[in-house]
Amino acid sequence: EAAVTQSPRSKVAVTGGKVTLSCHQTNNHDYMYWYRQDTGHGLRLIHYSYVADSTEKGDIPDGYKASRPSQENFSLILELASLSQTAVYFCASRQDSGNTLYFGEGSRLIVV
Amino acid sequence: AQSVTQPDARVTVSEGASLQLRCKYSYFGTPYLFWYVQYPRQGLQLLLKYYPGDPVVQGVNGFEAEFSKSNSSFHLRKASVHWSDWAVYFCAVSEGSALGRLHFGAGTQLIVIP
Repeated sequence: EAAVTQSPRSKVAVTGGKVTLSCHQTNNHDYMYWYRQDTGHGLRLIHYSYVADSTEKGDIPDGYKASRPSQENFSLILELASLSQTAVYFCASRQDSGNTLYFGEGSRLIVV
Repeated sequence: AQSVTQPDARVTVSEGASLQLRCKYSYFGTPYLFWYVQYPRQGLQLLLKYYPGDPVVQGVNGFEAEFSKSNSSFHLRKASVHWSDWAVYFCAVSEGSALGRLHFGAGTQLIVIP
């Protein structure tokens, strides 16, 4: 069964609204990541975490917050959604001793 | 800064033909390199990875890649493409630190024609 699960899988949000994307992993991994995928840009790192109750900024953190309340859960929060945040968002996890990322199936967000 | 360039946004091959997807990286030091594949409506899956050592690495489903330090390249190859290989392929470089942050290329869409 899937070891990294994301919810919701798709969502339509209104501009200025709040959006929370959730990620749950059963890999027992310490590291978790949120990536954004846009056509022509590949994946870009938004936030990541290497331990519960701590998050770090990635390459494009502006407009996003992250929360890691437990080892298994990692959320991405858009306090004021904007049109430019329409994208597919991927969560991933990684064990401490390796570089391999294990991805969820993605959350497609459309902001109108 | 670390970066990856995949010069081909789209590659079309006939089923049974050979394949090469190009990847150029920029990295100061010895890179850790990866190829991930994204099938339609799915997340990314690891295809193969290079850690310093043998320059040719084998992956799943008959894929292999060759690391070249002189050319700063990590091209993906397959001898005979199958229709099920239709997907988007991403090359990535790791910072190699304990944090293991990956920097991805823009991806190459592989289209397989009968």
